[in-house]
Amino acid sequence: DTAVSQTPKYLVTQMGNDKSIKCEQNLGHDTMYWYKQDSKKFLKIMFSYNNKELIINETVPNRFSPKSPDKAHLNLHINSLELGDSAVYFCASSQTPGAYNSPLHFGNGTRLTVT
Amino acid sequence: GENVEQHPSTLSVQEGDSAVIKCTYSDSASNYFPWYKQELGKGPQLIIDIRSNVGEKKDQRIAVTLNKTAKHFSLHITETQPEDSAVYFCAVPRTASKLTFGTGTRLQVTL
Repeated sequence: DTAVSQTPKYLVTQMGNDKSIKCEQNLGHDTMYWYKQDSKKFLKIMFSYNNKELIINETVPNRFSPKSPDKAHLNLHINSLELGDSAVYFCASSQTPGAYNSPLHFGNGTRLTVT
Repeated sequence: GENVEQHPSTLSVQEGDSAVIKCTYSDSASNYFPWYKQELGKGPQLIIDIRSNVGEKKDQRIAVTLNKTAKHFSLHITETQPEDSAVYFCAVPRTASKLTFGTGTRLQVTL
């Protein structure tokens, strides 16, 4: 199936731990994103990569570090997890970086719970 | 930056009725307006979009209308069905490559 897939679907961990979320897309898209959705359903962009290069870096703590080994993969590593990091993290991709003519395709999310 | 207000936050309609969700934006230069649907346990999915050179676009039971003067656009769902129950998000480009999403509307279609 063509899709944006991310793993794991659920992640429960303790404060202070380091964890990673993986994302892969087989749509042949050039651009990938990480979005954070909080408990009130607000969706905010965190990062965007185009052909493995970082093009968007919102005001995100530097404990969050994205890595794109190739244009089909964008992983998110989080150091020293805090309670406030609990959220659903969505990976997405688009054909190009342009918001005007390139719809976002989202994965099904990773629900991160920090205890 | 772009501010996007979305109303209502929750909407309950009976099956077969119509549902309307409205978004208001601040940047008059915005010219692309997508709507995304998020079903339970899934990521948002684009359902319809409109560009500023048209005032309305329709795709079967869903339509989007745009009022550029008033800076608002609306999603219309007719003949609602239980599978329309989801959270709906409007979005507006903040820059050429960034979308600002609205705060979401939880639509519940009751039998």
